[in-house]
Amino acid sequence: SQTIHQWPATLVQPVGSPLSLECTVEGTSNPNLYWYRQAAGRGLQLLFYSVGIGQISSEVPQNLSASRPQDRQFILSSKKLLLSDSGFYLCAWKGTANNEQFFGPGTRLTVL
Amino acid sequence: DAKTTQPTSMDCAEGRAANLPCNHSTISGNEYVYWYRQIHSQGPQYIIHGLKNNETNEMASLIITEDRKSSTLILPHATLRDTAVYYCIVSHHSNTGNQFYFGTGTSLTVIP
Repeated sequence: SQTIHQWPATLVQPVGSPLSLECTVEGTSNPNLYWYRQAAGRGLQLLFYSVGIGQISSEVPQNLSASRPQDRQFILSSKKLLLSDSGFYLCAWKGTANNEQFFGPGTRLTVL
Repeated sequence: DAKTTQPTSMDCAEGRAANLPCNHSTISGNEYVYWYRQIHSQGPQYIIHGLKNNETNEMASLIITEDRKSSTLILPHATLRDTAVYYCIVSHHSNTGNQFYFGTGTSLTVIP
């Protein structure tokens, strides 16, 4: 069966520090991958999606970037974090045989 | 941007049916209606989706109006564990992304 992992689960970082969040999927090949952010008390905002290795689409201009170095690995990065980057970051995947997205457990990021 | 509108919050008595409405008046012919729910501090969980016909699975039923401009998610016998934020999303099926745009959802509270 397919599983999706995110780490770390929680992270506290100072303003101006770099960021790297990792998402990996097991049990599927060539998935579509997605990064979402959820600010406190808000809905989910789609940040990036990827349909294949090295293919990244950005949904909103921001302080973050994404990369997909391997088929089942999706990384969210920042060179210098802002206070407004705090939030709950969720990774999701969509297989080729279905169209629903399946979400990981999320990473809660606090920027101080 | 989200293409759906939902009530901000609802209450439901335990054991009764919970009926969660969603308006999607600008839905296009090839867009599906998806429902997800998010329990606090967890990733969203897929519930059900449909195009035109009513759908039922082990979790819920989805009723879509004939003009497809609105739908209702029905939890037939709500339990305390159904307390969550419920998101209604419209999205077309696509190999190039299948992006989901979440609104703020409906916060359902199941009352003992």
